[in-house]
Amino acid sequence: AQSVTQLDSQVPVFEEAPVELRCNYSSSVSVYLFWYVQYPNQGLQLLLKYLSGSTLVKGINGFEAEFNKSQTSFHLRKPSVHISDTAEYFCAVTGLGGYNKLIFGAGTRLAVHP
Amino acid sequence: SAVISQKPSRDICQRGTSLTIQCQVDSQVTMMFWYRQQPGQSLTLIATANQGSEATYESGFVIDKFPISRPNLTFSTLTVSNMSPEDSSIYLCSVENPQESGYTFGSGTRLTVV
Repeated sequence: AQSVTQLDSQVPVFEEAPVELRCNYSSSVSVYLFWYVQYPNQGLQLLLKYLSGSTLVKGINGFEAEFNKSQTSFHLRKPSVHISDTAEYFCAVTGLGGYNKLIFGAGTRLAVHP
Repeated sequence: SAVISQKPSRDICQRGTSLTIQCQVDSQVTMMFWYRQQPGQSLTLIATANQGSEATYESGFVIDKFPISRPNLTFSTLTVSNMSPEDSSIYLCSVENPQESGYTFGSGTRLTVV
């Protein structure tokens, strides 16, 4: 079985500052990893995913994440945030092999202040 | 990737009643997943629905409370039975896209029980 831990429930940051949202996972098998964003009163939107290959994954809206197998981490980063990045961010994991359930972390609320 | 139509988008229901949520997918999929997102919380997997067999429920969820139907490869329903205010949540269905190694989510059903 897989599990996900998002280490920060809330991250306040000023506009144009860099941000890192931390995610650690646990699994006995190889995994696929995902970051989703949920804007207030909206549905889930996929930011990026790691399947295999390069450990640095680039996504939409200037976000990127780095897969670190030895540290079982998949932290999300953005070099300069905007007010519009204020949202809830969810890290999720599924085990390799297809037709596996997607397990979500508790979420990190990113609050960008002017 | 698959497109999901989820109905209703929202509803306000009296306690003690039941609500059935429908998800229609525009392509055949093997597995469908049902999630609950309680206010201010992350997504919790309720069950996995495979066509032609009983759904598999996660710990803390039971068939009597959340019966699921999966009559064919493009459709599924989740019923929230004998509702109480604690059932007020967003309910989402999801399917896996094996070709993209990703997941698609419905837009969600916002349920309020009064």
